[in-house]
Amino acid sequence: AQTVTQSQPEMSVQEAETVTLSCTYDTSESDYYLFWYKQPPSRQMILVIRQEAYKQQNATENRFSVNFQKAAKSFSLKISDSQLGDAAMYFCAYRSARNYQLIWGAGTKLIIKP
Amino acid sequence: EADIYQTPRYLVIGTGKKITLECSQTMGHDKMYWYQQDPGMELHLIHYSYGVNSTEKGDLSSESTVSRIRTEHFPLTLESARPSHTSQYLCASSVPLVDTQYFGPGTRLTVL
Repeated sequence: AQTVTQSQPEMSVQEAETVTLSCTYDTSESDYYLFWYKQPPSRQMILVIRQEAYKQQNATENRFSVNFQKAAKSFSLKISDSQLGDAAMYFCAYRSARNYQLIWGAGTKLIIKP
Repeated sequence: EADIYQTPRYLVIGTGKKITLECSQTMGHDKMYWYQQDPGMELHLIHYSYGVNSTEKGDLSSESTVSRIRTEHFPLTLESARPSHTSQYLCASSVPLVDTQYFGPGTRLTVL
């Protein structure tokens, strides 16, 4: 069975600095998708970034980028120029290409220090 | 933000009561999901639906039931609430190909 591991329960970063959140996963499949979702306090969960496993190029969305290492089964999220609004729980998720169900990591709480 | 709604946002009820958590989306998405999430913890899939009259149980065993009579509506029902049901319940929907799941604001349920 597939699993997703986020080894950092909590991370903190100074405003304007860069932070990297770790995510590893376990799967025997070659075709899948990986996601980072953000859940701000008392607000809706939203997608941050998405990566298709067949794409070698790392996905980027403005200040958010990933380091996708397929062989190592690693999918880290880098947030550049951290802002106060980035404070949230960040969840890594995996989806097999064979179904639509997401498998979630336990989350990392990101604290932004002003 | 996506147009997916959940009511009520907060609910405090006594043990043994029957409750229904509402979830509606106006995006015409075929796929809908219910997750259970304890504060600061990971999400667990409890039910999902790939279309009208299609419902399946997720990985986490749940005493709740769901129905999908209309595309836009995916209610979750607990016939007899217990304190162990205290949690946050998140509803989501997704569209094929793009595959992003859009989430509602959640219902925070407390059973006394």
